[in-house]
Amino acid sequence: GDSVTQMEGPVTLSEEAFLTINCTYTATGYPSLFWYVQYPGEGLQLLLKATKADDKGSNKGFEATYRKETTSFHLEKGSVQVSDSAVYFCALSKLTGGGNKLTFGTGTQLKVEL
Amino acid sequence: EPEVTQTPSHQVTQMGQEVILRCVPISNHLYFYWYRQILGQKVEFLVSFYNNEISEKSEIFDDQFSVERPDGSNFTLKIRSTKLEDSAMYFCASRGDANTGELFFGEGSRLTVL
Repeated sequence: GDSVTQMEGPVTLSEEAFLTINCTYTATGYPSLFWYVQYPGEGLQLLLKATKADDKGSNKGFEATYRKETTSFHLEKGSVQVSDSAVYFCALSKLTGGGNKLTFGTGTQLKVEL
Repeated sequence: EPEVTQTPSHQVTQMGQEVILRCVPISNHLYFYWYRQILGQKVEFLVSFYNNEISEKSEIFDDQFSVERPDGSNFTLKIRSTKLEDSAMYFCASRGDANTGELFFGEGSRLTVL
């Protein structure tokens, strides 16, 4: 079945450091790929998405490129801030009877320190 | 900004008791979902609901689980006889468009079964 694998956390960085959170997927067909973020005490929020190979999703300084050849969707940010501290979830979806059911990775906690 | 709301935020119950988790999806959305995350594990799909019936469910969603949209605004998840392994964070989500719409998540309800 479909699955998503992302790097274990927590990831601890200093403010203004470069961030990469790795995500790879296994799926048949052509899934859409997503990054969701969960800030402390809040729900899951869509951060960015890409719906086909070579698409780049971007939002709030974060970027991820849909790489079909490596089945990856790594999340990057050039300069993190303390306010980026959160749990980041990689996910994929394909059309199903329920309309785009999401398959999630385990989540990676990011801690950004001053 | 419209949001998905869930209650309670945290519930502690004894094994064997019935639990109802409540969700108010975004008002014009048509597709509703429950996901759960056992501590340290992946966010897992439980069930999707459309047009007043279940459209898809996972293997986790056995006869102990049920969903209902009793009054056109609430979307509930009932666990008839809780087990220790039902302890998890339960997320409700809704979507307006099946094919392209973003999935909006609530903040989650943490269930602890003792």
